[in-house]
Amino acid sequence: EPEVTQTPSHQVTQMGQEVILRCVPISNHLYFYWYRQILGQKVEFLVSFYNNEISEKSEIFDDQFSVERPDGSNFTLKIRSTKLEDSAMYFCASSDGGNTIYFGEGSWLTVV
Amino acid sequence: EDQVTQSPEALRLQEGESSSLNCSYTVSGLRGLFWYRQDPGKGPEFLFTLYSAGEEKEKERLKATLTKKESFLHITAPKPEDSATYLCAVQKRTGYSTLTFGKGTMLLVSP
Repeated sequence: EPEVTQTPSHQVTQMGQEVILRCVPISNHLYFYWYRQILGQKVEFLVSFYNNEISEKSEIFDDQFSVERPDGSNFTLKIRSTKLEDSAMYFCASSDGGNTIYFGEGSWLTVV
Repeated sequence: EDQVTQSPEALRLQEGESSSLNCSYTVSGLRGLFWYRQDPGKGPEFLFTLYSAGEEKEKERLKATLTKKESFLHITAPKPEDSATYLCAVQKRTGYSTLTFGKGTMLLVSP
């Protein structure tokens, strides 16, 4: 069964450092997303990406965040200057434009 | 503002003891209501999408139903492997398929 893959599974970074989280969406999907889940809280939407541009973003997705699809298979989330409150599980998701959105296993980011 | 409220927050069942999880929602123009299963430290695993009031979908011991204000996830004769957090999410008719999630119901099934 096709799946969304994410790397790294866990990353520890110093406050103020840049982090890049990587995702390989399901191959024939066109819509890509990043969500995050702070420990013990609900899954929150960050950004959606379609046709090589951001289609929607939440208030959380401020100027320190950016997304990119550098080639035909990868989708990345960059956090420029990490803060303690960025510690969370980050989920990549993809969809073929139908109504099923598939999630990856997540990248656990710890900012110290 | 879209809201999704799940209850109970946690539920403990004996193996074979059927029950239901509730998801109440407020959204301006529902496109779809999603149920996901999430195991600890893992990503949400897709279970069902419901689109209109009265719709029902089944998968093994799980059945999801939808009304205009809420959805239920019925678990029939659960097994310990059904233990997980069950997430409900709504998708609006407008926008790019963004999901708004509830906090989830943590289900523990004891043998």
